[in-house]
Amino acid sequence: NAGVTQTPKFQVLKTGQSMTLQCAQDMNHEYMSWYRQDPGMGLRLIHYSVGAGITDQGEVPNGYNVSRSTTEDFPLRLLSAAPSQTSVYFCASRHTGTSGGLEDTQYFGPGTRLTVL
Amino acid sequence: AQSVSQHNHHVILSEAASLELGCNYSYGGTVNLFWYVQYPGQHLQLLLKYFSGDPLVKGIKGFEAEFIKSKFSFNLRKPSVQWSDTAEYFCAASGYSSASKIIFGSGTRLSIRP
Repeated sequence: NAGVTQTPKFQVLKTGQSMTLQCAQDMNHEYMSWYRQDPGMGLRLIHYSVGAGITDQGEVPNGYNVSRSTTEDFPLRLLSAAPSQTSVYFCASRHTGTSGGLEDTQYFGPGTRLTVL
Repeated sequence: AQSVSQHNHHVILSEAASLELGCNYSYGGTVNLFWYVQYPGQHLQLLLKYFSGDPLVKGIKGFEAEFIKSKFSFNLRKPSVQWSDTAEYFCAASGYSSASKIIFGSGTRLSIRP
């Protein structure tokens, strides 16, 4: 298993550009999520999905879109990049257990470091 | 509103000292709790987790955490730290539902003096 993979590892954008951060997992996890990590602020949840075709907003969803057309992939789109979106982005996935969410171990990808100029 | 608070932003200890990192949560209903570690330049790894049962949870690398429901706390402890424990530590919480999102605290940076 490759686990959770993210591409690209690094990206520099100009203000106003759009781009998609890719995330894929091969563990057949139902639940996937995107976080951004900023110094002193920990990880903040952007969007998450509990299965194909289902997405929901997290703590800081503005400026980001997601879709979940397959179980494996959960891309994050920046529609019009802003300097405030300079951050490290982590994708994560976990299995949702059949007996009440007991299997809640979340696995993280290696991250994408995004700079918006 | 759901939240996780870590009040220690930066902790500096000498090797062999004992460690306790604070974590308090606000999450309605039954809660699952986690501690993650992020070593420099790496992504997050799970240290330990609490779902139910014994409130004292043992994790990897000699870490443990105690769930105290009355205090809404889940503090991380280690009796004797090593230089290799230098990292950032994150507390996280989720609800019991399989569809529940996981919320993280702001993290505590731990520096160990050799």
